[in-house]
Amino acid sequence: SYVLTQPPSVSVAPGQTARITCTENNIGSKSVHWYQRKPGQAPIVVASDDTDQPSGIPDRFSGSISGNTATLTISRVEAGDEADYFCQVWESTSDHPWVFGGGTKLTVL
Amino acid sequence: QVQLQQSGPGLVKPSETLSLTCAVSGGSISGYYWSWLRQPPGKGLEWLGYVYYTGATNYSPSLKSRISMSLDTSQRQVSLKLRSVTAADTAIYYCARIGGVLDPFDFWGQGTQVTVSS
Repeated sequence: SYVLTQPPSVSVAPGQTARITCTENNIGSKSVHWYQRKPGQAPIVVASDDTDQPSGIPDRFSGSISGNTATLTISRVEAGDEADYFCQVWESTSDHPWVFGGGTKLTVL
Repeated sequence: QVQLQQSGPGLVKPSETLSLTCAVSGGSISGYYWSWLRQPPGKGLEWLGYVYYTGATNYSPSLKSRISMSLDTSQRQVSLKLRSVTAADTAIYYCARIGGVLDPFDFWGQGTQVTVSS
């Protein structure tokens, strides 16, 4: 099955840049989406590597892909960015075509 | 603004049927895939299936024998039923909207914690 690997946690100080990775061998050929989920709230999409910035999402959030790794970059991190982040792709050959990473907890120190 | 409001019981007994509803406000029902996903404790999100605005459905093969989804366009509600549940079905369940297979899930419900226990 198709597996997207994320680090369980990332910590960053306010004002610094956070980078959250999502790794899979063939991810370079995929369209990758990133979601933010805060406790008790609905997830929201914060970045995609090949589409315009989602409505209402600051441009501090951006997605990119290099080689086998997709990266969500959050610039000038704020306390309000503390949340779980997870990546997602569509894999046409999989029994579960919408595939998600395990999620990364971003802690703002 | 599109909003998805989920409702349904948080506790289901083993072997019974889990039933959840997702009420859609704002936006169009047409042209979208209305999906259900879940996240078991300590695990990643799992796609369960979708009901297209036409009523066509597509389910995860691992749940196909137990799952059904429906769309009531007049009531603007999406429903999920999962039969013969076990403890392994304990999870946070989400409904979400997606426009096309390569698009993101652009609107989500708030999530419903469902625990399967006697």
